[in-house]
Amino acid sequence: DQQVKQNSPSLSVQEGRISILNCDYTNSMFDYFLWYKKYPAEGPTFLISISSIKDKNEDGRFTVFLNKSAKHLSLHIVPSQPGDSAVYFCASFPRGNTGKLIFGQGTTLQVKP
Amino acid sequence: DVKVTQSSRYLVKRTGEKVFLECVQDMDHENMFWYRQDPGLGLRLIYFSYDVKMKEKGDIPEGYSVSREKKERFSLILESASTNQTSMYLCASSLPRGLGNQPQHFGDGTRLSIL
Repeated sequence: DQQVKQNSPSLSVQEGRISILNCDYTNSMFDYFLWYKKYPAEGPTFLISISSIKDKNEDGRFTVFLNKSAKHLSLHIVPSQPGDSAVYFCASFPRGNTGKLIFGQGTTLQVKP
Repeated sequence: DVKVTQSSRYLVKRTGEKVFLECVQDMDHENMFWYRQDPGLGLRLIYFSYDVKMKEKGDIPEGYSVSREKKERFSLILESASTNQTSMYLCASSLPRGLGNQPQHFGDGTRLSIL
């Protein structure tokens, strides 16, 4: 069974603090992971990705960490800003697949001023 | 920049109607996808297409069909709309994974209500 799970439906943090969004996957056949951000009434936009050969990828305020032994990845946002308030989806490509993504359920982040 | 355009932002239809949702991308992408997004369920894949006239069922194809007559256009068809198909529908496109790990690019979605 190939699943990507986001077990926290929502997260609230104060502006300037760190936001940590978590994602678990069930199958070691996943070999590339992506995070998407979605505002209401807009489509998801690609945020950051990481290959299974790495354990960290950083892009400005956004860092993704991958723990393969735990089948867990996390997205860190530092410092959090009110404009980061959105739904965040993690997603993954199973190894060998031609482009079909498996998405998690999403986590709604609220950053309070 | 990749542009994926969905023909309608909001649509209201009646039960039993045949509904067409249109999606066009301007980046010559081989892959195109239709998802629906429902609260607590994330994005669920309905159908996808790897090339013109090719289609594959996703996770929830029942009650839907698709058409891809041209590379840039991918249509989702609700054969006989039902109230449980009220949802946000999202179209996406991407290059083939054989060209690297290509993220999917999404349109802004169609909020469909079936009355």
